[in-house]
Amino acid sequence: NAGVTQTPKFQVLKTGQSMTLQCAQDMNHEYMSWYRQDPGMGLRLIHYSVGAGITDQGEVPNGYNVSRSTTEDFPLRLLSAAPSQTSVYFCASSQDRQSSYNEQFFGPGTRLTVL
Amino acid sequence: GENVEQHPSTLSVQEGDSAVIKCTYSDSASNYFPWYKQELGKGPQLIIDIRSNVGEKKDQRIAVTLNKTAKHFSLHITETQPEDSAVYFCAANRDGGFKTIFGAGTRLFVKA
Repeated sequence: NAGVTQTPKFQVLKTGQSMTLQCAQDMNHEYMSWYRQDPGMGLRLIHYSVGAGITDQGEVPNGYNVSRSTTEDFPLRLLSAAPSQTSVYFCASSQDRQSSYNEQFFGPGTRLTVL
Repeated sequence: GENVEQHPSTLSVQEGDSAVIKCTYSDSASNYFPWYKQELGKGPQLIIDIRSNVGEKKDQRIAVTLNKTAKHFSLHITETQPEDSAVYFCAANRDGGFKTIFGAGTRLFVKA
């Protein structure tokens, strides 16, 4: 198993550009989520999905869109990039939304800089 | 909203010493408290977790304690080694994993 994979590893955007961060998992996990990590602020939840076709907002959803057309993939779209979106983005998945106490498996992250 | 505070933000210890990281949470309904370790350039990885129905859990050199009344929990690492150097995050959630709230992280340095 590759686990959780993310592409690209690094990305530089200009203000106003759009892009999609890719996330895929091969563990047949139902739950997937996107976090951003900023210095001194830990990990903050952007959006999450409890299964294909179902998504919901987290703590900091503004400026981001998600969709979940398959169990494996959960892309994060930046609609119009802003310097405040400069961050490291992590995708995570966990096994079964009906189970309690699920370990989250994180991808290696995407470092995004918006100029 | 729910908040998790973590202290200290940086911790430096000598190899072989113990390290303690403390967290407090605000939502009294939180019942699951995982700890994640993040090595440089990698995503966080679960190292230990505790549920609200127990007060302490150990796994080799790592232990976590939970005080539900005071709403705080702590990570204890004994006999620290250089490979323990990393950023550690505490977290809290209700009912198993959704909308997990993370602390700000503790950067641990273990000096050889």
